[in-house]
Amino acid sequence: GENVEQHPSTLSVQEGDSAVIKCTYSDSASNYFPWYKQELGKRPQLIIDIRSNVGEKKDQRIAVTLNKTAKHFSLHITETQPEDSAVYFCAASINDYKLSFGAGTTVTVRA
Amino acid sequence: EAGVVQSPRYKIIEKKQPVAFWCNPISGHNTLYWYLQNLGQGPELLIRYENEEAVDDSQLPKDRFSAERLKGVDSTLKIQPAELGDSAVYLCASSPQPAYEQYFGPGTRLTVT
Repeated sequence: GENVEQHPSTLSVQEGDSAVIKCTYSDSASNYFPWYKQELGKRPQLIIDIRSNVGEKKDQRIAVTLNKTAKHFSLHITETQPEDSAVYFCAASINDYKLSFGAGTTVTVRA
Repeated sequence: EAGVVQSPRYKIIEKKQPVAFWCNPISGHNTLYWYLQNLGQGPELLIRYENEEAVDDSQLPKDRFSAERLKGVDSTLKIQPAELGDSAVYLCASSPQPAYEQYFGPGTRLTVT
C-alpha cells in the first residue's frame, strides 16, 4: 500500500516567519494530496489539497507544491501567526478516497 | 450545516469489556469512514461505507472489531473484547461521494485500563 513520510515531526518558528513541511510518498499512482490541520483535542480539518495534474496551489498564506517525479509534496505557510500552531498532516491517495496519512508535524509559532 | 457528530467523546473501560462508538455523518453524505488515530500518528482507515455497504474493510481487525450502517446514515463501530492496545482516538468522517473532501468528526477518545 501507499507509504507517506512526513518531516519534520516538530517545527518551531517565530511569528511572521515561514514554515515548510515536506512529505514523500511511495506509490507513483497517487493522484490526490490533501493537507489537514488538527488543533489540540479537535477534529482534523482540510486546509488545502492538490491533484496530480497541478504543480502548485495557493490559498492566501498557505501553498502546496507537488513534484511527481520526485514523489514529494510540501506545505508552505507564510507570515505565520499564533493561530497557525497545530499539528499538520499530509496524506496521499491513489483513488481519491483511501487516504494514507503522514505521522504529522507539530508546528509552534512563537510570539 | 451541522458537522459530523460522534458520541461519546470520551470512554474509559476495563480490558475485555465491550465498547461501541456512534457516528452521525453530515446530511446527504453517502460515504462514511472510520479511522483509528494513535497518539502522535496520523489517522488510519478502518472501514469505508458507501451508503449501507462496507466497500473497504481490509484494515478492520475482524476478530474483535465490527461496524454497521444499517440504514445508510448513522454508523456504529464496536470492539469486543477491548484490549489495552485499543486505546486511541476513533474518528468518523464523511463525504458526499468517494472523491470529495472528507469531513471529520471530533473523535472518541478510548482508554482501556
